[in-house]
Amino acid sequence: GQQVMQIPQYQHVQEGEDFTTYCNSSTTLSNIQWYKQRPGGHPVFLIQLVKSGEVKKQKRLTFQFGEAKKNSSLHITATQTTDVGTYFCAGPGFGNEKLTFGTGTRLTIIP
Amino acid sequence: NAGVTQTPKFQVLKTGQSMTLQCAQDMNHEYMSWYRQDPGMGLRLIHYSVGAGITDQGEVPNGYNVSRSTTEDFPLRLLSAAPSQTSVYFCASRSGVRNTIYFGEGSWLTVV
Repeated sequence: GQQVMQIPQYQHVQEGEDFTTYCNSSTTLSNIQWYKQRPGGHPVFLIQLVKSGEVKKQKRLTFQFGEAKKNSSLHITATQTTDVGTYFCAGPGFGNEKLTFGTGTRLTIIP
Repeated sequence: NAGVTQTPKFQVLKTGQSMTLQCAQDMNHEYMSWYRQDPGMGLRLIHYSVGAGITDQGEVPNGYNVSRSTTEDFPLRLLSAAPSQTSVYFCASRSGVRNTIYFGEGSWLTVV
C-alpha cells in the first residue's frame, strides 16, 4: 500500500535558525496537505498543494510540491517558539479516498 | 461552531472490556474517519466512511468496528479491549469537495 515517509523524525534548532522537513511518498499523490500538531493537541490543517512544482508561502513557512508529485517539503525561516510541534504531511493517491499521513517531524526550539 | 466533537476525552479500560468512542460533526461532511496515534508512528487510519451507510477499512482495522447510520455520527467500537489498543484516537471529517481534514480534540485511551 501507499507509504509516506518524513525526515527527519526529530529536529532541535536554536530559536532564529531555519528548519526543513521532507516528505516522500511511494506513489504519486493527487495533492499533498500539511498539518501541525502542538504538544497535547490535535492536528490542524496548514495548507494544500495540488499542482506539480507548486510553491506556496505563509509568512515564514514555504511549502513545495515536487515535479513528480511524490515528494514535498516544508521550510520555516527564522524559527520562533510558537513553531514548536509536530509537522505532518498527508496525501491521497489518485482515485483513493484514503488519506495517508507521513510519520511526522517533531520540532523543538531551544530559546 | 462545534466542528468535530469526540467523547470521552480520557478513558481507562480493563482488558476484555468493550466501549464506544463517540464522534459527531456539524459541518455536513460526507467523509469521516478514525485515526490512532502512537509515539513515533504518526497517524494511522483505522476505518473511514464516505457517507451514511458506507464504511471501509483503513490501515489498522483489526479490533475495531464502525457504523455510519447518519451523516453526523461515526462511533468507533472496541469489542474486547487489548493493551495494544492503548493510544490516542482522533476522529476527523472532511467535505467531498475540499480535502481539508478537521480533527476532533482526541480521546486518550488506556487499556490495562
